[in-house]
Amino acid sequence: NAGVTQTPKFQVLKTGQSMTLQCAQDMNHNSMYWYRQDPGMGLRLIYYSASEGTTDKGEVPNGYNVSRLNKREFSLRLESAAPSQTSVYFCASSGRENSEQFFGPGTRLTVL
Amino acid sequence: AQSVTQLDSQVPVFEEAPVELRCNYSSSVSVYLFWYVQYPNQGLQLLLKYLSGSTLVESINGFEAEFNKSQTSFHLRKPSVHISDTAEYFCAVHGTYKYIFGTGTRLKVLA
Repeated sequence: NAGVTQTPKFQVLKTGQSMTLQCAQDMNHNSMYWYRQDPGMGLRLIYYSASEGTTDKGEVPNGYNVSRLNKREFSLRLESAAPSQTSVYFCASSGRENSEQFFGPGTRLTVL
Repeated sequence: AQSVTQLDSQVPVFEEAPVELRCNYSSSVSVYLFWYVQYPNQGLQLLLKYLSGSTLVESINGFEAEFNKSQTSFHLRKPSVHISDTAEYFCAVHGTYKYIFGTGTRLKVLA
């Protein structure tokens, strides 16, 4: 099992450019999540999907959109990147309610 | 609303010394608590979890945490740390479909 995979690992964008971060899991988990990690702020939830076909906003959704393409895949889109979106982005998944999350390796995004 | 507080942003400790990383939470519902570890340039990995039952939970690499409902705490302890324990540690509480993370504690083990 690969677990949770994310692409790309690194990305540099110019202000105003768009991009999609991809995430896939092979553990048959129902729930998937997108977080951003910034120094001194821990992990902040951007969006989550409790099950296939549903998505909900987290703590910091502004400037992002998501798509739960199928049970395996959950993508995060930046329509018009801003320097404030420079961060490390993590995708995670979880199976049963209240069970632990499994994290991907992260995408380091820099917006110039 | 649920929240998690990790009071110490950095904890330096000498090798083979004991360590405690503090975590306090607030929640109006039943809690499920987790500690994750993040090594440099990697994602988070589960260290241990409390779902129910015994309030003392242990990990395979010598860490333990105790759920204390009256003090709303879930502190992480290790009696003797190794250089390889140098990492960032995150406490998390589970809410409805969502997990709330603390801001992390950077543990630096000194030789």
